[in-house]
Amino acid sequence: AQSVTQLGSHVSVSEGALVLLRCNYSSSVPPYLFWYVQYPNQGLQLLLKYTTGATLVKGINGFEAEFKKSETSFHLTKPSAHMSDAAEYFCAVSDGGRGSTLGRLYFGRGTQLTVWP
Amino acid sequence: DGGITQSPKYLFRKEGQNVTLSCEQNLNHDAMYWYRQDPGQGLRLIYYSQIVNDFQKGDIAEGYSVSREKKESFPLTVTSAQKNPTAFYLCASSGMVATNEKLFFGSGTQLSVL
Repeated sequence: AQSVTQLGSHVSVSEGALVLLRCNYSSSVPPYLFWYVQYPNQGLQLLLKYTTGATLVKGINGFEAEFKKSETSFHLTKPSAHMSDAAEYFCAVSDGGRGSTLGRLYFGRGTQLTVWP
Repeated sequence: DGGITQSPKYLFRKEGQNVTLSCEQNLNHDAMYWYRQDPGQGLRLIYYSQIVNDFQKGDIAEGYSVSREKKESFPLTVTSAQKNPTAFYLCASSGMVATNEKLFFGSGTQLSVL
Protein backbone atom coordinates (compact mmCIF):
# COMPACT_ATOMS: atom_id res chain seq x y z
CA ALA A 1 0.00 0.00 0.00
CA GLN A 2 1.04 3.56 -0.62
CA SER A 3 0.93 6.47 1.81
CA VAL A 4 2.36 9.96 2.16
CA THR A 5 3.38 12.00 5.17
CA GLN A 6 3.92 15.73 4.86
CA LEU A 7 5.81 17.12 7.82
CA GLY A 8 4.42 20.45 8.89
CA SER A 9 0.92 21.54 8.01
CA HIS A 10 2.07 25.18 7.90
CA VAL A 11 5.37 26.66 6.74
CA SER A 12 6.19 30.37 6.80
CA VAL A 13 9.14 31.99 5.04
CA SER A 14 10.23 35.49 4.15
CA GLU A 15 10.26 36.60 0.54
CA GLY A 16 13.61 35.60 -0.96
CA ALA A 17 14.23 32.83 1.56
CA LEU A 18 14.62 29.14 0.82
CA VAL A 19 11.44 27.10 0.64
CA LEU A 20 11.61 23.52 1.92
CA LEU A 21 8.47 21.39 2.10
CA ARG A 22 8.97 17.88 3.38
CA CYS A 23 7.40 14.70 2.06
CA ASN A 24 8.04 11.11 3.04
CA TYR A 25 6.32 8.20 1.38
CA SER A 26 5.65 4.54 1.85
CA SER A 27 5.31 2.27 -1.14
CA SER A 28 5.44 -1.46 -1.72
CA VAL A 29 6.59 -0.95 -5.32
CA PRO A 30 8.84 1.59 -7.05
CA PRO A 31 6.83 4.76 -6.60
CA TYR A 32 5.77 7.53 -8.87
CA LEU A 33 5.87 10.79 -6.91
CA PHE A 34 4.15 14.11 -7.49
CA TRP A 35 3.87 17.60 -6.06
CA TYR A 36 0.69 19.57 -6.69
CA VAL A 37 -0.13 23.17 -5.77
CA GLN A 38 -3.55 24.55 -4.90
CA TYR A 39 -4.46 28.23 -4.84
CA PRO A 40 -7.54 29.30 -2.81
CA ASN A 41 -10.85 27.98 -4.11
CA GLN A 42 -9.21 26.31 -7.08
CA GLY A 43 -8.28 22.84 -8.22
CA LEU A 44 -4.79 21.40 -8.06
CA GLN A 45 -2.03 22.01 -10.59
CA LEU A 46 0.91 19.71 -11.16
CA LEU A 47 4.25 21.24 -10.10
CA LEU A 48 6.48 18.29 -10.93
CA LYS A 49 6.65 14.54 -10.98
CA TYR A 50 9.17 11.73 -10.65
CA THR A 51 8.66 8.45 -12.46
CA THR A 52 12.05 7.02 -13.40
CA GLY A 53 15.49 8.29 -14.31
CA ALA A 54 17.13 11.38 -12.87
CA THR A 55 16.34 11.75 -9.19
CA LEU A 56 16.43 15.55 -9.21
CA VAL A 57 13.28 16.77 -10.88
CA LYS A 58 12.68 20.33 -11.96
CA GLY A 59 9.19 21.74 -12.15
CA ILE A 60 7.36 24.93 -12.90
CA ASN A 61 7.86 28.25 -11.10
CA GLY A 62 11.42 27.41 -10.04
CA PHE A 63 10.52 24.45 -7.82
CA GLU A 64 12.46 21.22 -7.74
CA ALA A 65 12.36 17.99 -5.77
CA GLU A 66 14.80 15.18 -5.19
CA PHE A 67 13.82 11.53 -4.93
CA LYS A 68 15.89 9.83 -2.22
CA LYS A 69 15.08 6.14 -2.11
CA SER A 70 17.21 5.44 0.95
CA GLU A 71 15.32 8.09 2.91
CA THR A 72 11.92 7.44 1.24
CA SER A 73 11.69 11.18 0.74
CA PHE A 74 10.67 13.60 -2.00
CA HIS A 75 11.16 17.06 -0.51
CA LEU A 76 10.17 20.14 -2.48
CA THR A 77 12.50 23.13 -2.60
CA LYS A 78 12.77 26.56 -4.14
CA PRO A 79 15.87 28.71 -3.62
CA SER A 80 14.05 32.03 -3.30
CA ALA A 81 10.42 32.40 -2.27
CA HIS A 82 8.10 34.81 -3.98
CA MET A 83 4.83 36.21 -2.67
CA SER A 84 3.00 34.40 -5.46
CA ASP A 85 4.20 31.06 -4.06
CA ALA A 86 1.77 31.33 -1.15
CA ALA A 87 -0.57 28.35 -1.58
CA GLU A 88 -1.21 24.85 -0.33
CA TYR A 89 1.11 22.12 -1.54
CA PHE A 90 0.30 18.44 -1.77
CA CYS A 91 2.67 15.53 -2.15
CA ALA A 92 1.26 12.38 -3.75
CA VAL A 93 2.43 8.85 -4.48
CA SER A 94 1.23 6.29 -6.98
CA ASP A 95 2.16 2.79 -7.92
CA GLY A 96 1.63 3.89 -11.52
CA GLY A 97 -0.77 1.08 -12.26
CA ARG A 98 0.16 -2.43 -13.22
CA GLY A 99 -1.19 -3.89 -16.43
CA SER A 100 -4.80 -2.89 -16.76
CA THR A 101 -5.17 -1.92 -13.12
CA LEU A 102 -5.74 1.78 -12.61
CA GLY A 103 -2.89 3.36 -10.75
CA ARG A 104 -4.13 5.54 -7.94
CA LEU A 105 -2.77 8.67 -6.37
CA TYR A 106 -2.54 8.87 -2.59
CA PHE A 107 -2.27 12.42 -1.31
CA GLY A 108 -0.65 13.81 1.79
CA ARG A 109 -2.57 16.16 4.05
CA GLY A 110 -1.02 19.23 2.52
CA THR A 111 1.30 22.03 3.65
CA GLN A 112 0.14 25.62 3.66
CA LEU A 113 2.97 27.93 2.60
CA THR A 114 2.87 31.54 3.77
CA VAL A 115 5.34 34.05 2.33
CA TRP A 116 6.01 37.20 4.33
CA PRO A 117 7.16 40.41 2.58
CA ASP B 1 -9.89 25.81 -24.39
CA GLY B 2 -9.57 22.26 -23.16
CA GLY B 3 -10.22 21.54 -19.53
CA ILE B 4 -12.53 20.30 -16.81
CA THR B 5 -15.65 22.20 -15.84
CA GLN B 6 -17.32 21.69 -12.50
CA SER B 7 -20.67 23.19 -11.62
CA PRO B 8 -22.02 24.72 -9.59
CA LYS B 9 -19.21 26.48 -7.74
CA TYR B 10 -21.29 26.62 -4.55
CA LEU B 11 -24.11 24.26 -3.58
CA PHE B 12 -26.33 24.03 -0.55
CA ARG B 13 -28.08 20.87 0.56
CA LYS B 14 -31.07 20.54 2.82
CA GLU B 15 -31.29 17.62 5.19
CA GLY B 16 -32.61 14.49 3.46
CA GLN B 17 -31.96 15.88 0.01
CA ASN B 18 -29.88 14.36 -2.76
CA VAL B 19 -27.74 16.77 -4.76
CA THR B 20 -25.73 16.22 -7.94
CA LEU B 21 -22.40 17.80 -8.77
CA SER B 22 -21.55 18.14 -12.43
CA CYS B 23 -18.17 17.38 -14.01
CA GLU B 24 -17.50 17.72 -17.73
CA GLN B 25 -14.19 17.40 -19.58
CA ASN B 26 -13.27 18.06 -23.19
CA LEU B 27 -9.75 16.63 -22.97
CA ASN B 28 -10.79 13.28 -24.42
CA HIS B 29 -9.52 11.61 -21.26
CA ASP B 30 -10.48 8.05 -20.43
CA ALA B 31 -10.11 8.19 -16.65
CA MET B 32 -12.11 10.45 -14.35
CA TYR B 33 -12.07 10.83 -10.56
CA TRP B 34 -13.95 12.45 -7.70
CA TYR B 35 -12.09 13.61 -4.61
CA ARG B 36 -13.34 15.09 -1.37
CA GLN B 37 -11.20 17.71 0.36
CA ASP B 38 -11.60 18.60 4.01
CA PRO B 39 -9.34 21.12 5.78
CA GLY B 40 -6.15 19.46 7.02
CA GLN B 41 -7.03 16.08 5.56
CA GLY B 42 -5.79 16.32 2.02
CA LEU B 43 -7.75 14.69 -0.79
CA ARG B 44 -9.65 11.45 -0.41
CA LEU B 45 -10.85 9.42 -3.37
CA ILE B 46 -14.61 8.86 -3.60
CA TYR B 47 -15.07 7.15 -6.98
CA TYR B 48 -13.13 6.72 -10.19
CA SER B 49 -13.86 5.52 -13.67
CA GLN B 50 -11.51 4.10 -16.29
CA ILE B 51 -13.97 3.85 -19.16
CA VAL B 52 -17.56 4.61 -20.03
CA ASN B 53 -20.18 2.58 -18.15
CA ASP B 54 -17.62 1.41 -15.59
CA PHE B 55 -16.60 2.86 -12.24
CA GLN B 56 -15.06 1.74 -8.95
CA LYS B 57 -15.37 2.79 -5.35
CA GLY B 58 -12.55 4.72 -3.79
CA ASP B 59 -11.78 5.04 -0.10
CA ILE B 60 -14.90 6.93 1.00
CA ALA B 61 -17.70 5.91 -1.39
CA GLU B 62 -20.43 5.46 1.23
CA GLY B 63 -23.23 7.99 0.76
CA TYR B 64 -22.19 8.84 -2.79
CA SER B 65 -23.10 7.55 -6.24
CA VAL B 66 -21.79 8.19 -9.75
CA SER B 67 -22.54 7.40 -13.38
CA ARG B 68 -20.40 7.38 -16.51
CA GLU B 69 -22.76 7.28 -19.45
CA LYS B 70 -20.56 9.49 -21.62
CA LYS B 71 -16.80 9.76 -21.83
CA GLU B 72 -16.83 13.46 -21.11
CA SER B 73 -19.20 13.43 -18.13
CA PHE B 74 -18.88 11.99 -14.61
CA PRO B 75 -21.57 13.41 -12.28
CA LEU B 76 -21.44 12.78 -8.54
CA THR B 77 -24.60 12.48 -6.44
CA VAL B 78 -24.34 13.16 -2.73
CA THR B 79 -27.19 11.20 -1.21
CA SER B 80 -29.06 11.71 2.04
CA ALA B 81 -27.08 8.79 3.43
CA GLN B 82 -23.97 10.98 3.52
CA LYS B 83 -24.31 12.49 6.98
CA ASN B 84 -21.41 14.90 6.77
CA PRO B 85 -21.39 16.21 3.21
CA THR B 86 -19.90 19.64 3.83
CA ALA B 87 -16.62 19.69 1.92
CA PHE B 88 -14.86 20.89 -1.20
CA TYR B 89 -15.34 18.41 -4.05
CA LEU B 90 -12.80 18.11 -6.84
CA CYS B 91 -13.20 16.30 -10.13
CA ALA B 92 -10.14 15.23 -12.10
CA SER B 93 -9.25 13.38 -15.27
CA SER B 94 -6.20 11.75 -16.80
CA GLY B 95 -5.36 10.62 -20.28
CA MET B 96 -4.24 7.13 -19.40
CA VAL B 97 -5.28 4.66 -16.79
CA ALA B 98 -1.85 4.59 -15.23
CA THR B 99 -1.40 7.61 -12.99
CA ASN B 100 2.14 8.33 -14.02
CA GLU B 101 0.15 10.60 -16.28
CA LYS B 102 -0.76 13.77 -14.48
CA LEU B 103 -4.23 14.58 -13.26
CA PHE B 104 -6.08 17.60 -14.55
CA PHE B 105 -8.38 19.11 -11.93
CA GLY B 106 -11.53 21.16 -12.13
CA SER B 107 -11.94 24.26 -9.98
CA GLY B 108 -14.13 22.49 -7.45
CA THR B 109 -17.59 22.68 -5.88
CA GLN B 110 -18.07 23.78 -2.29
CA LEU B 111 -21.00 21.88 -0.79
CA SER B 112 -22.58 23.10 2.42
CA VAL B 113 -25.52 21.91 4.50
CA LEU B 114 -28.37 24.29 5.30
